[in-house]
Amino acid sequence: RKEVEQDPGPFNVPEGATVAFNCTYSNSASQSFFWYRQDCRKEPKLLMSVYSSGNEDGRFTAQLNRASQYISLLIRDSKLSDSATYLCVPSTDSWGKLQFGAGTQVVVTP
Amino acid sequence: DAGVIQSPRHEVTEMGQEVTLRCKPISGHNSLFWYRQTMMRGLELLIYFNNNVPIDDSGMPEDRFSAKMPNASFSTLKIQPSEPRDSAVYFCASSPDRAYSNQPQHFGDGTRLSIL
Repeated sequence: RKEVEQDPGPFNVPEGATVAFNCTYSNSASQSFFWYRQDCRKEPKLLMSVYSSGNEDGRFTAQLNRASQYISLLIRDSKLSDSATYLCVPSTDSWGKLQFGAGTQVVVTP
Repeated sequence: DAGVIQSPRHEVTEMGQEVTLRCKPISGHNSLFWYRQTMMRGLELLIYFNNNVPIDDSGMPEDRFSAKMPNASFSTLKIQPSEPRDSAVYFCASSPDRAYSNQPQHFGDGTRLSIL
């Protein structure tokens, strides 16, 4: 079983629509969780940290379910600029080591 | 603020040659990470340092790969001899402190390496 599993997509989303996707992680000791986005041929960039109670950052909402070991990301009012690959990233140890998922591709269409 | 700085941005060389990739982490960051990304294998962690000390190098593919961090502001990843299968994008990332304080990693622009 992979440490982090994500639906690769692509999720084709009309502009203005809402899209949501999950990832599951296997390391129950993970303490920190992040969503990164990666544009084609660019470096991964932090989108948001994920907190236990769930958190929102503008049009983005992240949820964490420790019991089921999954993290979700919801994007409201999708913009063309949201087209990217979204990487689910739990921490794996106390040194800051992160485990990157393979990513979920989102394509927002006009 | 300056981000993580990597050099070179692109490198094309013939197999068998030595390749050296360089990274300058964000000032004040204690942890530094080297990753490799390919279409087939995604983003793989090669090695990481904390306070200039290698913590985990289990991701280094083989003895041809070596990494050093002589001081807090500089790290190198060396491949000798290089092989075509080493072709990938190599990223360096740094973070302020250990996890459990919710510290994300900040990535450099990457080095696109092509071994012919």
